[in-house]
Amino acid sequence: EAEVAQSPRYKITEKSQAVAFWCDPISGHATLYWYRQILGQGPELLVQFQDESVVDDSQLPKDRFSAERLKGVDSTLKIQPAELGDSAMYLCASSSGLAGEVDTQYFGPGTRLTVL
Amino acid sequence: QQPVQSPQAVILREGEDAVINCSSSKALYSVHWYRQKHGEAPVFLMILLKGGEQKGHEKISASFNEKKQQSSLYLTASQLSYSGTYFCGTVSSASKIIFGSGTRLSIRP
Repeated sequence: EAEVAQSPRYKITEKSQAVAFWCDPISGHATLYWYRQILGQGPELLVQFQDESVVDDSQLPKDRFSAERLKGVDSTLKIQPAELGDSAMYLCASSSGLAGEVDTQYFGPGTRLTVL
Repeated sequence: QQPVQSPQAVILREGEDAVINCSSSKALYSVHWYRQKHGEAPVFLMILLKGGEQKGHEKISASFNEKKQQSSLYLTASQLSYSGTYFCGTVSSASKIIFGSGTRLSIRP
């Protein structure tokens, strides 16, 4: 069964350092999402891609976060500099939905970030 | 606007039934239900589309009342494997899923 891949699974960093997370969606899925999940809360959308284009990044703290999906396949989320409040699970999801549709989203295992 | 889930937590004995509710202040196009086990990714359960349909998946079913902007998830004859946190995600005019804060379900033998 096809799955969304993410790496690393765990990341510990010190504040002010840069971190990067990688996601490889299910093959053929045009839509890719990055979510942040704080312990005890539901996932919160950070950025949504349709192929290589950003569809929604309204909740992305753009002063320190950036995301790209250059070839419309895998994606990287970067934080620079990391702050203590960035400690969370970062989830990637993908779906086959077309632009404007909200189809079933399949989540990867996530990256647990701890900022010290 | 984040949907409101209730209850926040529930403890059951194996074999008992549970209902988890999800309500929104906005008109909804669809409701998505996921289950997440500790330290793992959310796993898709079902989507309910506008039209007030009810869906089932083994002993887990759900309903969607679009007029009341509410959805309910029904777990029948709960099994130990049903333990986890259940999230509803609502889709309104913004064309993205907004997740609730979750309902933690614990099943005891």
